[in-house]
Amino acid sequence: SAVISQKPSRDICQRGTSLTIQCQVDSQVTMMFWYRQQPGQSLTLIATANQGSEATYESGFVIDKFPISRPNLTFSTLTVSNMSPEDSSIYLCSVAGGYTDTQYFGPGTRLTVL
Amino acid sequence: GESVGLHLPTLSVQEGDNSIINCAYSNSASDYFIWYKQESGKGPQFIIDIRSNMDKRQGQRVTVLLNKTVKHLSLQIAATQPGDSAVYFCAETSGGATNKLIFGTGTLLAVQP
Repeated sequence: SAVISQKPSRDICQRGTSLTIQCQVDSQVTMMFWYRQQPGQSLTLIATANQGSEATYESGFVIDKFPISRPNLTFSTLTVSNMSPEDSSIYLCSVAGGYTDTQYFGPGTRLTVL
Repeated sequence: GESVGLHLPTLSVQEGDNSIINCAYSNSASDYFIWYKQESGKGPQFIIDIRSNMDKRQGQRVTVLLNKTVKHLSLQIAATQPGDSAVYFCAETSGGATNKLIFGTGTLLAVQP
């Protein structure tokens, strides 16, 4: 398995501000993904973080709102821009490939927007 | 496979009983399936997976069954314990674990002592 950490673990933010979430994995992985989990709901994929190129976004998610970086094979960031209360969710990164045998998730970042 | 609402289906079982959690998946082309357990305040934790060339796979106290004909997946937990209380999600994908996952709505398992 992979050991995945996310920072911050939780935050409370004001409307209109931006928050950058970091995801770090302890070994090189091929794929990194960002998911959103709204309160009481299932997980929805935001985008695939591609190393060395622009992220691939799912329908309903755009780069201006959720810019993503992936500078190397162990690290990625997701920024939630110009936040509104509707952005209050858990944001989760996952990893796959490399020495991992399946897709593993980080502990999540719990975001509350006031 | 997308979430459908705020109210999770709930399965309530007595400690020591067997639990069966069901999942209907959406894409007939999906060939890899994963069950995750999510405890309150934590990220999803991998439980067991199965590929489409198998009908059944067993782990420690857990068994996953796959019925491709009706696009149905189930997770069986033997001798359910209080520590099994959590939300359980099935996830599907095609092409293996390095591809994006589509999640089911989730089932809340409540274990009564």
